[in-house]
Amino acid sequence: DTAVSQTPKYLVTQMGNDKSIKCEQNLGHDTMYWYKQDSKKFLKIMFSYNNKELIINETVPNRFSPKSPDKAHLNLHINSLELGDSAVYFCASSQQQGKETQYFGPGTRLLVL
Amino acid sequence: SQQGEEDPQALSIQEGENATMNCSYKTSINNLQWYRQNSGRGLVHLILIRSNEREKHSGRLRVTLDTSKKSSSLLITASRAADTASYFCATERINDMRFGAGTRLTVKP
Repeated sequence: DTAVSQTPKYLVTQMGNDKSIKCEQNLGHDTMYWYKQDSKKFLKIMFSYNNKELIINETVPNRFSPKSPDKAHLNLHINSLELGDSAVYFCASSQQQGKETQYFGPGTRLLVL
Repeated sequence: SQQGEEDPQALSIQEGENATMNCSYKTSINNLQWYRQNSGRGLVHLILIRSNEREKHSGRLRVTLDTSKKSSSLLITASRAADTASYFCATERINDMRFGAGTRLTVKP
């Protein structure tokens, strides 16, 4: 059974479009995260949700909106996609906020043309 | 910043050799973790060392932490081609964990 899953695995889209990436964890964890990994492999946290409440909202454009319908799911919606949004987006979860090992999903490779 | 910075950015060694990667940070931390990322995959946790610990071992991995120098090292002994991956350190403060840019390790058979 996959602990942290993301869909889709690959996403190719045109500039200006709106897209969503879904994440689900079956570990019973309280906290979920979204990270962006750019072409230089730098991993930057975007959002953190603890029990469906936003904990961290880094300096991310408001075109990015996380949605957590329940603590097992954290989806990422992106409006008006730009070329610079091209990256790999990773979802992760941990038992608690920031104190525990994080378990990562396989990543969603987004390419904006 | 709290974020760890790995050094070197890239490391290439022969199978059987040891690989040492370093991580430096600038603020006090509660713990430091090392993760591994195979090409095209998510990160996998390797080892966690708390701020009151100086050294930990896990199989062929040895991690040290020097809080006075705000640095950590990851040593992989007797490397194998399968160890080829990127290695990230993550520093944790209060309810906040940050990753560095990673060291890309290539182990040649």
